[in-house]
Amino acid sequence: GAGVSQSPSNKVTEKGKDVELRCDPISGHTALYWYRQSLGQGLEFLIYFQGNSAPDKSGLPSDRFSAERTGGSVSTLTIQRTQQEDSAVYLCASSSTGFNEKLFFGSGTQLSVL
Amino acid sequence: SQQGEEDPQALSIQEGENATMNCSYKTSINNLQWYRQNSGRGLVHLILIRSNEREKHSGRLRVTLDTSKKSSSLLITASRAADTASYFCATDPHSGNTPLVFGKGTRLSVIA
Repeated sequence: GAGVSQSPSNKVTEKGKDVELRCDPISGHTALYWYRQSLGQGLEFLIYFQGNSAPDKSGLPSDRFSAERTGGSVSTLTIQRTQQEDSAVYLCASSSTGFNEKLFFGSGTQLSVL
Repeated sequence: SQQGEEDPQALSIQEGENATMNCSYKTSINNLQWYRQNSGRGLVHLILIRSNEREKHSGRLRVTLDTSKKSSSLLITASRAADTASYFCATDPHSGNTPLVFGKGTRLSVIA
């Protein structure tokens, strides 16, 4: 694809429900990153993948958050038993030139937990 | 905690003027990058400067890096209304496989 694709673009859910966010990186990009951004704030790192493995999961806020990547491509971020403080824009990025170099971002998923 | 801190938080200028944004960070880095974000959604990579570089240019953008002061600046010359966006610096920490750390950004408004 032409760029990083994220779906859904917007998600409204009720507190306590589970949500699944999807990221389709640029073809051939080996590194994939998840960040989240609360209103007016910077980006908070969540997790990254090199291929299908996630060397660093320390950014996940709680055990309600999990992520996986299959086939070195699509990644899903799952939030279980959502809370209001989970409301944010969840951004996915991928890169090919090297770890932490020139990230290409998707348009994000706006998650609203009511 | 945030590695990069942008200054100012918000900047409003007239079209045609130059805009300067600053970024300070705390630890040794491999590189520093600047990104632009429109409408609170995806970020777009603007420029990367490595720790052994002092200045880099790309079109109307000029980035400087002072590793002794742990600071960087982004200069946008001859600004346009279309430059209105939030600008973030991101640092690649020197220690191991630590992900990019983003600051809170500078909100730039260019008035036509």
